[in-house]
Amino acid sequence: SQQGEEDPQALSIQEGENATMNCSYKTSINNLQWYRQNSGRGLVHLILIRSNEREKHSGRLRVTLDTSKKSSSLLITASRAADTASYFCASASSNTGKLIFGQGTTLQVKP
Amino acid sequence: DAGVIQSPRHEVTEMGQEVTLRCKPISGHDYLFWYRQTMMRGLELLIYFNNNVPIDDSGMPEDRFSAKMPNASFSTLKIQPSEPRDSAVYFCASSLNWLTYNEQFFGPGTRLTVL
Repeated sequence: SQQGEEDPQALSIQEGENATMNCSYKTSINNLQWYRQNSGRGLVHLILIRSNEREKHSGRLRVTLDTSKKSSSLLITASRAADTASYFCASASSNTGKLIFGQGTTLQVKP
Repeated sequence: DAGVIQSPRHEVTEMGQEVTLRCKPISGHDYLFWYRQTMMRGLELLIYFNNNVPIDDSGMPEDRFSAKMPNASFSTLKIQPSEPRDSAVYFCASSLNWLTYNEQFFGPGTRLTVL
């Protein structure tokens, strides 16, 4: 399978804590993106980091990228109950441009 | 903007029946993607279009699946005949100048159940 891997598969934390999700991919990439999916809904784009970037911030989100290890992490700081969702990384193949999605991390934030 | 619109939201059909899923992309977007999501295989790209032309259909599982985009505001994904293993959530996504901006906007999905 070309799909990337994410860990953990599931994460449960208290409101206010930080949540860290990791993603590994297999092919060379142009960029890596993170998406959120609320239960029964479509995916929503959160943040994109290009292959020549190492770190990017957007509000409470921080993404890192290590192309030598083919890995990325998403940090959500000061989590809220509304952050409860599944989070997917998607690597954009530098060969085809297509997005290859990971299996996702299910995050539960308890109020 | 209403976002990407998909219909129906839920479809239950019997094995052997034809199923047609519909998608209206965001106005002005020039790329359209069809994905399938299952617990076992995750999110898979089936096919994508650029300016209404199919560019890559290598993800289409077999000849029972076909997709069309007759104009910039409408696309269909058809399964004929349907099988129980086609049960999944099918997402349509669109993008503006995808190769430059890369962000895809997803519809709410169609949950297909084939009995």
